[in-house]
Amino acid sequence: GQSLEQPSEVTAVEGAIVQINCTYQTSGFYGLSWYQQHDGGAPTFLSYNALDGLEETGRFSSFLSRSDSYGYLLLQELQMKDSASYFCAVNRGSTLGRLYFGRGTQLTVWP
Amino acid sequence: DSGVTQTPKHLITATGQRVTLRCSPRSGDLSVYWYQQSLDQGLQFLIQYYNGEERAKGNILERFSAQQFPDLHSELNLSSLELGDSALYFCASSTSAGPNYGYTFGSGTRLTVV
Repeated sequence: GQSLEQPSEVTAVEGAIVQINCTYQTSGFYGLSWYQQHDGGAPTFLSYNALDGLEETGRFSSFLSRSDSYGYLLLQELQMKDSASYFCAVNRGSTLGRLYFGRGTQLTVWP
Repeated sequence: DSGVTQTPKHLITATGQRVTLRCSPRSGDLSVYWYQQSLDQGLQFLIQYYNGEERAKGNILERFSAQQFPDLHSELNLSSLELGDSALYFCASSTSAGPNYGYTFGSGTRLTVV
C-alpha cells in the first residue's frame, strides 16, 4: 500500500513564497509528481522528481529526498491565479506506472 | 483542450442503475488511467490500461468494470449504482516516454446518483 501526507490548507498573500510539503510511505517508489487542480477542473501536471534534488520550472520548484521519503513544492511570486488545490502523487510502477495521489492541499492566495 | 476527451460531462441517474463513461486519450498515448474523486477520498486510482490490456487495478469495486478498445478509447462501466458512487470520474492518458511528462487529464464526468 501507500500513504501520502500533505497539509490540507495553506494561505499566503500575493507576491509571497509558499512551500507545500509531502511525506510518503510506499512499497515501490519511482518518483514523485505534483499536480494543480482548480475548482471543478482537471488536474494539470506541474513537475516530476525521480532523483534527489531540486527541479525548477519557472515560478514553481519541486524537491525530493528519497532517503527521507519527503518532497515539497515551492511556489514563488504568488499570484491570485495560483489559488487551487495541489496534489503530490507517487509513481509506484516504473515508467508507465500509475500514480497514487495525496488528499491535496488547498492554497488560497490573498491580495 | 487537454486532448483527452471525456463524455458525458454530467450524468444524473438513480440508484441501482448502470452507466458508461467514455474516454478518448490524447493522440499517441497508449496508457489510460481512471480515477474517482470524491470530497472525502481525494483522487483514487481505479484502473490502468495499456494498449488494450489491463495493466493495474486499484480501489475499483466489483460493480465497476472497464475496457480499452483497439482504437485506444476506454469505457468505465458502473453498475448497481449507490449514492456513494456520486463523484467526479477522471480519465488520464500518458505517453510511453515516462511519467516525467505527466499525465494528461480529461475534464471529467460528474456523476450524481439520486
